Amino acid sequence: GENVEQHPSTLSVQEGDSAVIKCTYSDSASNYFPWYKQELGKRPQLIIDIRSNVGEKKDQRIAVTLNKTAKHFSLHITETQPEDSAVYFCAAHSGGSYIPTFGRGTSLIVHP
Amino acid sequence: DGGITQSPKYLFRKEGQNVTLSCEQNLNHDAMYWYRQDPGQGLRLIYYSQIVNDFQKGDIAEGYSVSREKKESFPLTVTSAQKNPTAFYLCASSIDSDISYEQYFGPGTRLTVT
Repeated sequence: GENVEQHPSTLSVQEGDSAVIKCTYSDSASNYFPWYKQELGKRPQLIIDIRSNVGEKKDQRIAVTLNKTAKHFSLHITETQPEDSAVYFCAAHSGGSYIPTFGRGTSLIVHP
Repeated sequence: DGGITQSPKYLFRKEGQNVTLSCEQNLNHDAMYWYRQDPGQGLRLIYYSQIVNDFQKGDIAEGYSVSREKKESFPLTVTSAQKNPTAFYLCASSIDSDISYEQYFGPGTRLTVT
């Protein structure tokens, strides 16, 4: 089955800095890669996703890049703000499967 | 804050007791899922159901049971056979379509077993 590794487990940045979270996956048939944000005490929510036919996707201050050859994808957050502090999960869907395999999560802390 | 709901928010039980966690959705989603969240472990799949009256084991199904008698409801029972039941449990649902794979999560239930 699919295996997703996520790094780092904790990331601490100053407000205004950029943050990058990286994930690798094992199944070359995976074709959908979502990112979820879970604020403290709240439910995870989808913030951005990318399909395997696209190399990069942006939405305001967040972007996701995908390298199919290397089987890794990354979340980029620019101009970080304290409200970006949360746990971020990457996931991969193996070809045709509606069931995600999640990474272990990254706790992002943005210091004002 | 409708969509998908879980109850109760906090649950306390004595060791050796079975306990059932509720999950209800009004999104008309076919698929529903149960995850367990432990610190540093991410979201691990317990059970999932893609249609009424059918469900499949996930990666950590031992000690858990589910039922799917209605499209809207997917309760999870944590049995006394689950060795480490104290955790945060998340229910989710999805359209189960190529249009969207997005998972919609409930607010979670924190179970503490002593």
